[in-house]
Amino acid sequence: QLQLQESGPGLVKPSETLSLICTVSGDSISSPHHYWGWIRQAPGKGLEWMGAIFYTGSTYNSPSLKSRVTMLVDTSKNQFSLRLNSVTAADTAVYYCARLGRSGSSDWFDPWGQGTLVTVSS
Amino acid sequence: SSELTQDPAVSVALGQTATITCQGDSLRKYYASWYQQKPGQAPLLVIYDKLNRPSGIPDRFSGSSSGDTASLTITGAQAEDEAAYYCNSRDSSGNHVVFGGGTRLTVL
Repeated sequence: QLQLQESGPGLVKPSETLSLICTVSGDSISSPHHYWGWIRQAPGKGLEWMGAIFYTGSTYNSPSLKSRVTMLVDTSKNQFSLRLNSVTAADTAVYYCARLGRSGSSDWFDPWGQGTLVTVSS
Repeated sequence: SSELTQDPAVSVALGQTATITCQGDSLRKYYASWYQQKPGQAPLLVIYDKLNRPSGIPDRFSGSSSGDTASLTITGAQAEDEAAYYCNSRDSSGNHVVFGGGTRLTVL
């Protein structure tokens, strides 16, 4: 059964870099059929797509976050990671990782990790 | 602001049919997928690629699309269906993923 698990610090100081890892079990991250994505949800708000990465390292990011987001993949550990720099309080959110399925006409996330709350505060 | 627009709230009587809509220009070209999110839980995919249902999702959930609007229909809504529902698709460029703002479904 495919499972994803986010890990990383729950508290980050303003202006610093948020770093999270998503560990995938039950499937190979090197699958040529899927991307792997990050989505976040600020408290009481909706879902915001951040970006996605292919096992080759190819990425595509949200235009609103593009300059601050870096994603990497480590196929040897079956993990992918997110780095978001220059964080502010507005980046406080639950961060989810998920497998991204794609067809010619749509994208869908399934399954999702349980999510990890990251708070930006001094 | 999201390129996909959802009504903030919808209510439905127990056992009746609920329809949640998602509107956006990109839906004329791309299909929507739908997620259910209950408080404190991660989203759960309920419909993908416009009308496909993942295994384990009850058949009372169905998806459809017409023009610039995608719809999630719950036929015979149950108390456990009370949740927030989000749509997602691609943006107009086709290069990025977008989510709707979400609809909170109340089952009366």
